[in-house]
Amino acid sequence: DARVTQTPRHKVTEMGQEVTMRCQPILGHNTVFWYRQTMMQGLELLAYFRNRAPLDDSGMPKDRFSAEMPDATLATLKIQPSEPRDSAVYFCASGLAGSNTEAFFGQGTRLTVV
Amino acid sequence: AQSVAQPEDQVNVAEGNPLTVKCTYSVSGNPYLFWYVQYPNRGLQFLLKYITGDNLVKGSYGFEAEFNKSQTSFHLKKPSALVSDSALYFCAVRPRDSNYQLIWGAGTKLIIKP
Repeated sequence: DARVTQTPRHKVTEMGQEVTMRCQPILGHNTVFWYRQTMMQGLELLAYFRNRAPLDDSGMPKDRFSAEMPDATLATLKIQPSEPRDSAVYFCASGLAGSNTEAFFGQGTRLTVV
Repeated sequence: AQSVAQPEDQVNVAEGNPLTVKCTYSVSGNPYLFWYVQYPNRGLQFLLKYITGDNLVKGSYGFEAEFNKSQTSFHLKKPSALVSDSALYFCAVRPRDSNYQLIWGAGTKLIIKP
């Protein structure tokens, strides 16, 4: 049963610390999305990759967030330094490129910055 | 500005009764339309999509959705609700000129009472 795997599932960290979230997309998928979900803002697209190239990171705070795909099996989202307002659930999703295709979501990383 | 509206924050339905979760959109052209479901502490799961053709689309878990072009609506339906259908439901719309951008509704919490 193919699925998107995210680690860690939960993360509590102190303000100012670096946070790294990892995602293993479904084998064969060539697009990766990073979303942030909060009660106030709902789902926000942070970054979009196709064939491992970052095509859209306009949703990310550039000064503290970074997203990479070192290889086809790993996507990372880093926050440095973390702030309490970064507390949210971060989802990774993967899919096949195309305007009519759906995305498959991981279970998310619940981040709490204290 | 393009937008997706889910006018009901919460929908309550008795088990066995039909359910409808509403979605309307303001997106130019003939966009692609999606429904996703989110169970507690889980990622979003794809339910169904409208690409073209028959206005009634069938999806997972017995759900279906009806596309109405004149009303720019894509309401999610199920003939007989189950308690296990209780979850958060998201409508999402992708403009035809985009390969990846999704405009998300705010979500509707569906509660099925035994």
